[in-house]
Parts: sequence; structure tokens; C-alpha cells
Amino acid sequence: QVQLQESGPGLVKPSETLSLTCTVSGGSISGYYWSWIRQPAGKGLEWIGRIYTSGSTNYNPSLKSRVTMSVDTSKNQFSLKLSSVTAADTAVYYCARGPYCGSDCYFENWGQGTLVTVSS
Amino acid sequence: QTVVTQEPSFSVSPGGTVTLTCGLSSGSVSTSYYPSWYQQTPGQAPRTLIYSTNTRSSGVPDRFSGSILGNKAALTITGAQADDASDYYCVLYMGSGSWVFGGGTKLTVL
Repeated sequence: QVQLQESGPGLVKPSETLSLTCTVSGGSISGYYWSWIRQPAGKGLEWIGRIYTSGSTNYNPSLKSRVTMSVDTSKNQFSLKLSSVTAADTAVYYCARGPYCGSDCYFENWGQGTLVTVSS
Repeated sequence: QTVVTQEPSFSVSPGGTVTLTCGLSSGSVSTSYYPSWYQQTPGQAPRTLIYSTNTRSSGVPDRFSGSILGNKAALTITGAQADDASDYYCVLYMGSGSWVFGGGTKLTVL
């Protein structure tokens, strides 16, 4: 069973860049799509974007100007950078496998999530 | 941007049946949106329940089922149990590599 674990600073200052990494274990990162999803406290889920192991990306249009995703297949990791953060970016950030829209199209496995707080 | 709609809250009696829905602010949900459903309890990561409209994820009890009802995707829980009390989220594929989550439904079992 594939397992995902998010890591990164839990506190980021306003206007700075949030950086998170998701480490995949129990399987290869290659040949799959990988996503980031976030959830502000007490609110719903928001898809941030996905990356394929080739480096091809799709981003949420509402965040596209501030998001950069990358993948390191040698480390079985993929990463998220969100620039110019504000308090509105405070959330639990999840990484997930998928979606690949072939016959199916869904977020198959989820990390436990990591809380990132934006505050000075 | 298109909004994905869900009932904010719902209540069901133990042993009862409840259907949660997932719609669009404009238009109808079809299988082409690949609706999927996720269950989340407080402090936990979401758990995948249903994908591609009606396929149960591994280990999900068969009391959970997915369908298209009218112009919405639907998640039906038959024989609700106390531990089904959770938040339920749907997500739709909007095409062009874009996904939108619904706002979630808080299900109470009492």
C-alpha cells in the first residue's frame, strides 16, 4: 500500500513562499500523477494542482499565478511552492496520488496532512 | 468558475438510508465528470469511498453506493451506522486537467 507523508515548515511569514514536500513510500512515484489539496480550518477541500512524473503540471486557475510543483523521482518525492502567501493560505495541506483520468479519475491515496500557518 | 454544490448538513437515523447529492451551479453532472466521494472525520485525512460515479474503493462497505440521480451525482448510505457520522466531499473533473471539490456535507447519525 502506497503511503504519503507531507513535510515542511509549519509557520511561514506573510509575503514569503510556502514550501512543502511529499515523500512516497511503498511504491514508485514514477508513472503516476500526484496532487496537492488544502483545507482551511473548518472549511472544505480545495484542489491546488497535480504533477506527472515527467514534470507536466495542471494548476487550479485561482492559484496558478502563485503555484509551482516539481518532482524528484530519485528521492520518490514531489513538492509544492506557493508564493506571496497571506493569512488566507493558512490550511492543512494534503498530498495525494492521482488523479489520472483514464478509465478512472480520483484521488486514490492521501497523506495525513500538515498544518501550515501564515503569520508574522 | 463553476461551483460544485452539496447539502451543508444532513441527518439520518441509525439503520436508515440517506442520499447526499453533488451538483453544479450551472448544468448537469454526468459520468463524464468522474464524480468521486470522500469521507472525512475531524482531524483525519479524507478517505476515498467512491470513484468514477459508482465504484467502491477497496475496503469500503457495500452500504455505500454511488450513482447519478437526475442532474446530480449521489452518494447513498443504506443502513447508516454511528461511525458514518462524518463530513462527505464530492469532487468533479471539469476537464482540461482541473478538479473542483464541493463544499462538503456534514452528516449526523442520531
